[in-house]
Amino acid sequence: AQTVTQSQPEMSVQEAETVTLSCTYDTSESDYYLFWYKQPPSRQMILVIRQEAYKQQNATENRFSVNFQKAAKSFSLKISDSQLGDAAMYFCAYRSLGGSQGNLIFGKGTKLSVKP
Amino acid sequence: DGGITQSPKYLFRKEGQNVTLSCEQNLNHDAMYWYRQDPGQGLRLIYYSQIVNDFQKGDIAEGYSVSREKKESFPLTVTSAQKNPTAFYLCASSRTSGFNEQFFGPGTRLTVL
Repeated sequence: AQTVTQSQPEMSVQEAETVTLSCTYDTSESDYYLFWYKQPPSRQMILVIRQEAYKQQNATENRFSVNFQKAAKSFSLKISDSQLGDAAMYFCAYRSLGGSQGNLIFGKGTKLSVKP
Repeated sequence: DGGITQSPKYLFRKEGQNVTLSCEQNLNHDAMYWYRQDPGQGLRLIYYSQIVNDFQKGDIAEGYSVSREKKESFPLTVTSAQKNPTAFYLCASSRTSGFNEQFFGPGTRLTVL
């Protein structure tokens, strides 16, 4: 069974600085998707960024980028120029392409605080 | 606007009572999901459905039941058999082809007194 581990329960960053959130996963599959979701205090889950495992190029969405290391099974999220609105819980998630396709496996999350 | 609605936002029930949480989507998605979120935990899958009139158990289905009579609706019943039902419940939907990213509703906070 696949597992997702986020080793940092809490992180803090100064406004306008850069922060990296860690995520590792365990799988025997070669093709899959990886996601980062943001959950602000409103508790609405928002997709931040996604990565297809077959793509070597790291995904980027504006100030958000990932460092995808397939061999190491690592999928970290980098937030550049941090803003107060980035304060939230961040969840890393894995999705298989076969079997129970569509089901997400989540890590336990990292709570990000942004200091003004 | 297309999206997912969950009602109510807060729900209180007495111990021993069944309660049904509503989830409706107008995104024309075939697949729908129910997750449970507890403090300090990620989301855990309760049930999912990839087509009308069909659904499968997730990782923590015991004490819960669902139905999928319409494409737009996927209600979750928390039964009295669920030992620790107080939690935040999230519904999601997705397509079943292509990338099929999951879109989430705003959630329902259930408190059993």
